[in-house]
Amino acid sequence: GAVVSQHPSRVICKSGTSVKIECRSLDFQATTMFWYRQFPKQSLMLMATSNEGSKATYEQGVEKDKFLINHASLTLSTLTVTSAHPEDSSFYICSAAKGKIDEQFFGPGTRLTVL
Amino acid sequence: ILNVEQSPQSLHVQEGDSTNFTCSFPSSNFYALHWYRWETAKSPEALFVMTLNGDEKKKGRISATLNTKEGYSYLYIKGSQPEDSATYLCAFKSSGDKLTFGTGTRLAVRP
Repeated sequence: GAVVSQHPSRVICKSGTSVKIECRSLDFQATTMFWYRQFPKQSLMLMATSNEGSKATYEQGVEKDKFLINHASLTLSTLTVTSAHPEDSSFYICSAAKGKIDEQFFGPGTRLTVL
Repeated sequence: ILNVEQSPQSLHVQEGDSTNFTCSFPSSNFYALHWYRWETAKSPEALFVMTLNGDEKKKGRISATLNTKEGYSYLYIKGSQPEDSATYLCAFKSSGDKLTFGTGTRLAVRP
């Protein structure tokens, strides 16, 4: 199989706090992981691509200082939303590439609500 | 900005009905077209990766076709079952580029 977990599944936080979301590939090593965001009634939008041991590549319009990505091992990538504000409330979902980068396996996502 | 559109946005069918929906994508610089099935509170599950014009792939009661020249793919479900209820996403990939997703078709199958 190719199972990807994500934690937490849901988080509510106060404005100004930082939130860390973990993405783990449970039964394979992922050289590349992807972070997406989905606003209501919109499609999944790629935020950044992270490769193990190197800096993440951010999509245009995504602030790298706001959304810190760490891909410290072949099975774990983290996304930290720093100084979260209500407009950061969204659904965040990660995926991991196993072997061929074309094939991505998704986590179940994290619903972030910033009050 | 690449435009990937899916229609219809949502669909309600009776158990046993066959159904189909569409994914439209740019016809230039095509590399691959992905279909995913996404049940509520679960991870999107890969259904098909299609790369060749004229490709037809099948997985149980679900099949998909691909026309890269006119930029569309159809997903068919034969004899829909309640467990087929999910959002079906397509994602377009041009050469060396990221996946661009459509907004999905939400399918509800009534028992």
